[in-house]
Amino acid sequence: KQEVTQIPAALSVPEGENLVLNCSFTDSAIYNLQWFRQDPGKGLTSLLLIQSSQREQTSGRLNASLDKSSGRSTLYIAASQPGDSATYLCAGGGSEKLVFGKGTKLTVNP
Amino acid sequence: EPEVTQTPSHQVTQMGQEVILRCVPISNHLYFYWYRQILGQKVEFLVSFYNNEISEKSEIFDDQFSVERPDGSNFTLKIRSTKLEDSAMYFCASSELLAGGLGTQYFGPGTRLLVL
Repeated sequence: KQEVTQIPAALSVPEGENLVLNCSFTDSAIYNLQWFRQDPGKGLTSLLLIQSSQREQTSGRLNASLDKSSGRSTLYIAASQPGDSATYLCAGGGSEKLVFGKGTKLTVNP
Repeated sequence: EPEVTQTPSHQVTQMGQEVILRCVPISNHLYFYWYRQILGQKVEFLVSFYNNEISEKSEIFDDQFSVERPDGSNFTLKIRSTKLEDSAMYFCASSELLAGGLGTQYFGPGTRLLVL
């Protein structure tokens, strides 16, 4: 049974800092890995999808990597801004179903 | 940009009542999903739907739940007899099939269900 863990649970950084969010999963037979952003009381915004044959994806200031052998994914955010403050969720799955972590709550202070 | 829409945004119901949550997936997507998030907890998978049938479901998705694609655009989740513990945010999602496999799952804004 796939389990996804995210560390740290919360992170507070000053504006402009580069940061890394971590995600680990128990089953290396992961089909794909998706990173989301969730603002309080809102839906999930997809940030990046890494398919099983890929190792990383980039979108703007975001870069996500996937290492299936070690059961880890990281989300790198460059030059963080106050607007990046949100909860970041990692989700992976063996097929259609996504298994979510609890998220990392990021606060970027001006 | 195409997006998944959900109605209603909020629903309050009495325990034992039936509710239907509605979703309009992105038009060229073939896979549809329902997830839920109880306040303060992880997002949990309920069911996936492809080619007019359920393709995968979780333990949560028992006989009280059903899904339907009544026409070419809507996708619904019905809870037959709601319980207090069904109170949660329910998210609909959809994805397309790419050459390398399933694509990004795009989520709707959610329906907040409160069972009293």
